[in-house]
Order: sequence, then C-alpha cells, then structure tokens
Amino acid sequence: DAGVTQSPTHLIKTRGQQVTLRCSPKSGHDTVSWYQQALGQGPQFIFQYYEEEERQRGNFPDRFSGHQFPNYSSELNVNALLLGDSALYLCASSPTTGPDYEQYFGPGTRLTVT
Amino acid sequence: QKEVEQDPGPLSVPEGAIVSLNCTYSNSAFQYFMWYRQYSRKGPELLMYTYSSGNKEDGRFTAQVDKSSKYISLFIRDSQPSDSATYLCAILFVDSSYKLIFGSGTRLLVRP
Repeated sequence: DAGVTQSPTHLIKTRGQQVTLRCSPKSGHDTVSWYQQALGQGPQFIFQYYEEEERQRGNFPDRFSGHQFPNYSSELNVNALLLGDSALYLCASSPTTGPDYEQYFGPGTRLTVT
Repeated sequence: QKEVEQDPGPLSVPEGAIVSLNCTYSNSAFQYFMWYRQYSRKGPELLMYTYSSGNKEDGRFTAQVDKSSKYISLFIRDSQPSDSATYLCAILFVDSSYKLIFGSGTRLLVRP
C-alpha cells in the first residue's frame, strides 16, 4: 500500500513565477491537507480539501490556491512567488471517518525561490 | 506569543539515556495533543497522540499532558541512535474551524 506521494521532490523557481505541486493521498483517504515548513520551523497549515472543495484555510494569502480531483489527488498552486515562499511543502492525507489527528504525511516537495 | 512553544535544541544525549522533550501552549481550548518524528528529508510521522491529562505509554515512548499548566512532554527511554531526528509537538483544535498547530521542533541527537 503506497503512502502519500508528492511530486516533484525538488523545484527551483524564480521570483514572480508560478508553481504547481502535486499530491496523491494514501489509499482509502479522501481528505488532503497542505502545509508549509520553513527551515527550522514546524509545518504551518495552508488549507484542507475534501470532496473537491476547500474546507478549511490557514493564514496564507490568496496567492496560495489548491484543487482536489475526483480521485482525491490534489494540487497546490502558488502564484507570484516570493523569496519567502522557499520551504518544504508537505501534503497530508486522512480518512473522513477517522479522527482528525490521524494524518499521514508525504515526503514533501522542497521549493527554492531565487 | 506563539500558540505552541518548543525548545529548538539541539539536544545531544548518549545512547541509553532518558530523553525529555517539552512544549507549552497558550490556548486552553486545544483538544488533541500529538508528537511527530521527522527524519531529515522526510515528512513528519505520527508517534503518539492523547487528548487527556496524564500519561500514555507506547513502548519506549511516554506522552504526558498537564492541561492545568498547558504543558506537554514526550519521554524516550533507552534512547537509540535511530531516535536521532526532529521531534515536533502538535496540538489540534477542533471546533467550527480546524486548526492544527505545530511547535518548531526539537532536534535530538543520540550518540552511540
């Protein structure tokens, strides 16, 4: 059973560009959450998707947007990249019927903005 | 003031030592308390969770919560070099909104 997978592993972008990160949840999971983890910090909640809709959102600007597909996979889009967007972006999946703390994280996508 | 505070370390201990990792939080409405372990270049892995004051054991790991002091701890007995990682406390607040707040993580190094 594959766990949460994310692509790409690493990405280098220039300020002002746009980026799309992808996530496939663990089998049987239908809820996907995205987090940003800056170096030396804990993950910060960006948003959560369920049934192809954004269910919850953290304190992130509208430059951060997402999408969930019918197969529960998800994308995170960041527009007008800033240097401060450089971070590890983590995707976590969970089952709707399970407890909210039961989240499984992927290995992350390391984004570097130059 | 951050909602969840955690000493960043690094914490270096000899193999076999008892390790104590701690976090404090400011919002008494928090409901679930978790500890994650994160190896370098990997995503966080859930180690333990609890929702009540007191102790919860799982093998060499014990999670402790003191809601009156807003203080949570993770103890690792007989620490091993393979325990070397960053340990993140996380607190889940579930109400009309969903709010999972992580501490900044403590780097632990267990020396052989």
